[in-house]
Order: sequence, then C-alpha cells, then structure tokens
Amino acid sequence: SQTIHQWPATLVQPVGSPLSLECTVEGTSNPNLYWYRQAAGRGLQLLFYSVGIGQISSEVPQNLSASRPQDRQFILSSKKLLLSDSGFYLCAWSVFRGDYEQYFGPGTRLTVT
Amino acid sequence: GESVGLHLPTLSVQEGDNSIINCAYSNSASDYFIWYKQESGKGPQFIIDIRSNMDKRQGQRVTVLLNKTVKHLSLQIAATQPGDSAVYFCAENIPGANNLFFGTGTRLTVIP
Repeated sequence: SQTIHQWPATLVQPVGSPLSLECTVEGTSNPNLYWYRQAAGRGLQLLFYSVGIGQISSEVPQNLSASRPQDRQFILSSKKLLLSDSGFYLCAWSVFRGDYEQYFGPGTRLTVT
Repeated sequence: GESVGLHLPTLSVQEGDNSIINCAYSNSASDYFIWYKQESGKGPQFIIDIRSNMDKRQGQRVTVLLNKTVKHLSLQIAATQPGDSAVYFCAENIPGANNLFFGTGTRLTVIP
C-alpha cells in the first residue's frame, strides 16, 4: 500500500531563517507531487506541483521554492522566511489510474516568529 | 479557482440530523469531483467521488449529488455524528490539468 510522510510535524522558526520541509511517498512510482499551504481557518492554496524528477511548476510567486531530487521525494524550501509564511503545509501525491484523487500527508505546522 | 483568502463558511447541525454541504464549481468541462474531509491538524482525507456522467453516488452514510446544469455539487451526510465535525472540501478535475482545483471548504460542527 502507498504511504506519504512529511516532516517535521511542527516547526517554529524566526523571521529570516531558512526552511526545508520534506515529503516522501512509498509504494508507488512516478507520482505527481504537490505542495499546498493552508492558513488558519482557510482553504488550500496550491504552491507547487511536479510531474517528474526535476520538473517543478510554481503556482504562486513567493519566496518559497520546491525541488524533486528523487522520484518520490519532494522538498519545500525558503532562504529567508517571512511572517506570512506561517501556516499548515500539506504534501500530496496522485497517480492517474482513471481518476485523479490526491492523497495527502499529515502536514507540517509552521510558525514563523 | 481557489478561494484561499476567504474564511470558511460554517454549518452547525444537531447530532442525528442530516447535513447538506454545497459546492459550486467553476469549469463546465470538469469531469471528476471529489469530496474531502479534513479534521483539525490533519491532512484532507477522501470521502467520495463522482464522475461527470453520473448524477448521484452513494457511500456509507454519504451521498454526493452532481448538477451539471448549474455546476453544483453537494454532499449529504445522514445521521450526522460528532465525529463528522471537520472541514469539507470539494475538488474538481479539469481535463488536461495536472492538479485538482479545491473549493473554499465548509466547516461542519455537530452539536451533541
């Protein structure tokens, strides 16, 4: 069966510090991978998606970046965090099998102080 | 599209009553729809899906209705329980896109 992992689960970082969030998927090959951000009490904002190694599409211009160094690894980074980067970050994967369901990870709660 | 800047609409229901959560989708070409449930502090979880060639689909205590004429999707939860309290998102797939498009979400609160 497929599983998706995210870490860390929670993170508190000062403004201006770097960020690295990691997401890995097990049990599937060549998945589409996604990073979403969710502010408190709000909806899902798609940040990046990737259809393959080294292929990243950015949906929202910002101080965040994403990388996919391996087939089932997706990393969200920032060189200098802003207060507005606080939120709940969700990684998801999908594989087209006649439907388009995305499977979400447990999320990372980021607080920028 | 995504309404991520808006506060979530809320729905409060008495335990045991039926709940109806509504969603308006944006693209008449959308061919597949999903309802997700997100409990506090967790990632969204799949509830039920429906293809555009269907009007209704039933699961365990849940029913999804699709009205393509008015681009409207609804989720009905029968005999709502406290464990149903969560945020519910609809999502649509547009052919050719690599990602789902999520609705704003609705916060359901079940009153014991």
